[in-house]
Amino acid sequence: QKEVEQNSGPLSVPEGAIASLNCTYSDRVSQSFFWYRQYSGKSPELIMSIYSNGDKEDGRFTAQLNKASQYVSLLIRDSQPSDSATYLCAVNVYNNDMRFGAGTRLTVKP
Amino acid sequence: DGGITQSPKYLFRKEGQNVTLSCEQNLNHDAMYWYRQDPGQGLRLIYYSQIVNDFQKGDIAEGYSVSREKKESFPLTVTSAQKNPTAFYLCASSIDMAARGYTFGSGTRLTVV
Repeated sequence: QKEVEQNSGPLSVPEGAIASLNCTYSDRVSQSFFWYRQYSGKSPELIMSIYSNGDKEDGRFTAQLNKASQYVSLLIRDSQPSDSATYLCAVNVYNNDMRFGAGTRLTVKP
Repeated sequence: DGGITQSPKYLFRKEGQNVTLSCEQNLNHDAMYWYRQDPGQGLRLIYYSQIVNDFQKGDIAEGYSVSREKKESFPLTVTSAQKNPTAFYLCASSIDMAARGYTFGSGTRLTVV
């Protein structure tokens, strides 16, 4: 079983819709969780971090964490074509041990 | 502006050749990391360093070497022992990885010719 799993997609949503990206992780002692956005040919950019159960909102982005289910998600409201990218889920298990999922490719169609 | 600079952006390696990828940061971060990204796979850790003159192997260190002589610099050498080096290489740094995650450089795309 992979340590961090994401649906590879592609996930396609129309402009203005809500995009929902999901991630599951295998290690129950995981402590902090991150979402990175990566445009094609570019490096990852941190967009959200979450550490405790529940929701965390930042602008159009909401991260959701459920440690009991070992599940973290990212919602993008009012999706824009500029949101089209690959979204990487990353999980910090212990200090200096960050595990990445393979990423979900999102396409927002005008 | 503070950040991480990776060079070159594109690099071509001949069979049997060693090549070195540069990574420099002016963020005053103690910890630095090298990752490899292949299509359809998550980032895989090659080496990391938490302090000058000290570094640790990651999951896929074979065929790679690093040095950390200065806080700002963490170069990666891809040796001829690495049989499949074609990939996108990312350098990252962190002041507190658990709390703040990573800052990534712009990456180096290495191709074997």
